[in-house]
Amino acid sequence: QVQLQESGPGLVKPSETLSLSCTVSGGSLRSYSWSWIRQPPGKGLELIGYIDDSGSTNYSPSLKSRVTMSVDTSKNQFSLKLASVTAADTAVYYCARRDYLFDSSGPPRSVWFDQWGQGTLLTVSS
Amino acid sequence: QSVLTQPTSVSAAPGQMVTISCSGSSSNIGSNFVSWYQQLPGTAPKLLINDNNRRLSGIPDRFSASKSGTSATLGISGLQTGDEADYFCGTQDSSLSSYVFGTGTKVTVL
Repeated sequence: QVQLQESGPGLVKPSETLSLSCTVSGGSLRSYSWSWIRQPPGKGLELIGYIDDSGSTNYSPSLKSRVTMSVDTSKNQFSLKLASVTAADTAVYYCARRDYLFDSSGPPRSVWFDQWGQGTLLTVSS
Repeated sequence: QSVLTQPTSVSAAPGQMVTISCSGSSSNIGSNFVSWYQQLPGTAPKLLINDNNRRLSGIPDRFSASKSGTSATLGISGLQTGDEADYFCGTQDSSLSSYVFGTGTKVTVL
């Protein structure tokens, strides 16, 4: 069973860059996409973006200008950087495995997130 | 602000059934497949159902789902106290070129 574990600072100052890592154990990064999803306290889920094992990325349009994701297959890790953070970025950040059904006619229409980390609370405060 | 709308909360007595709706549009539910996630208090979401109605291995058949047009529904029968959680729908949105989650529904067992 694949397990995911987030790691990060817990507290970031406004205007700084948030950096999180996710270590995958019990499986390889190959053949899947790896995502970051966040959840502000008491609110819903928001996909930040995902990266595949080749380093190809797809970011949420609303966060695209501030997001950078990277992958290190040698360490079985992938990472998130979110620049210029504000209090609105305070949330629990989850890493998750993204899977999908291949669709020969275009982008996959069936996508799901089947393995999740436990989440890490990131607070933006001075 | 999510493009998928769910009721804020639903409730029922133990053993009864609840249904949770997820309302979208032609660019998301209407043209893509829906997944459902359960988030127990203080834990990460867990995938229950994908491909509109396919239960993941180990998910009891008390959980069922369907899709019609631009709406999807999750049903939980034989409600148990352990089912108290937040439930989210999710799907691709072709217009946004992104995956979107529903607003979430809190299930309470009375």
